[in-house]
Amino acid sequence: SAVISQKPSRDICQRGTSLTIQCQVDSQVTMMFWYRQQPGQSLTLIATANQGSEATYESGFVIDKFPISRPNLTFSTLTVSNMSPEDSSIYLCSVGGQGTGGTEAFFGQGTRLTVV
Amino acid sequence: QKEVEQNSGPLSVPEGAIASLNCTYSDRGSQSFFWYRQYSGKSPELIMFIYSNGDKEDGRFTAQLNKASQYVSLLIRDSQPSDSATYLCAVNGQNFVFGPGTRLSVLP
Repeated sequence: SAVISQKPSRDICQRGTSLTIQCQVDSQVTMMFWYRQQPGQSLTLIATANQGSEATYESGFVIDKFPISRPNLTFSTLTVSNMSPEDSSIYLCSVGGQGTGGTEAFFGQGTRLTVV
Repeated sequence: QKEVEQNSGPLSVPEGAIASLNCTYSDRGSQSFFWYRQYSGKSPELIMFIYSNGDKEDGRFTAQLNKASQYVSLLIRDSQPSDSATYLCAVNGQNFVFGPGTRLSVLP
């Protein structure tokens, strides 16, 4: 299993501003994943963050809006840029699951973002 | 057709009863299947995983997999109010995909 520390746990932000979410894993992992969970909805994959290369974004998500950093094998950040109320969601960092040949996904505590 | 489907619920069962949660998936090449529990405002936590056809039991939880029917279920025996949560089915095939979740309410 993996222990993932994510912060902040919640924030209320003004529209037009940006928020950077940090994710720290207790072991080295090749891939880290960022999900969004809108109110009452399931998890939607935003992007895959690989150390040493550009993040891979899913359809509907772009780097200008959700820039990602992956400076080493235990850390990643997701920035939500130029926020609008539609960005109000829970953002989750994850390891495992995707592309791992069948292992489970582990999640950070999540960041509950409210944009006003 | 959505990749992973679940009834959204809410599914209400009385305390002590068996709760049955169902999930269907479209990717026939899927090899591993997971059930996550998510309390309101919290992140998902893994309850069970299953790779082979048949039943897998862990305490009060039983996962059932039928690859021919592309169907996976979760049974919760002796349901407790603390089991009230949203249950997410996840399927690892060509992609790792989560279902929309079923909200379970266990009534005291």
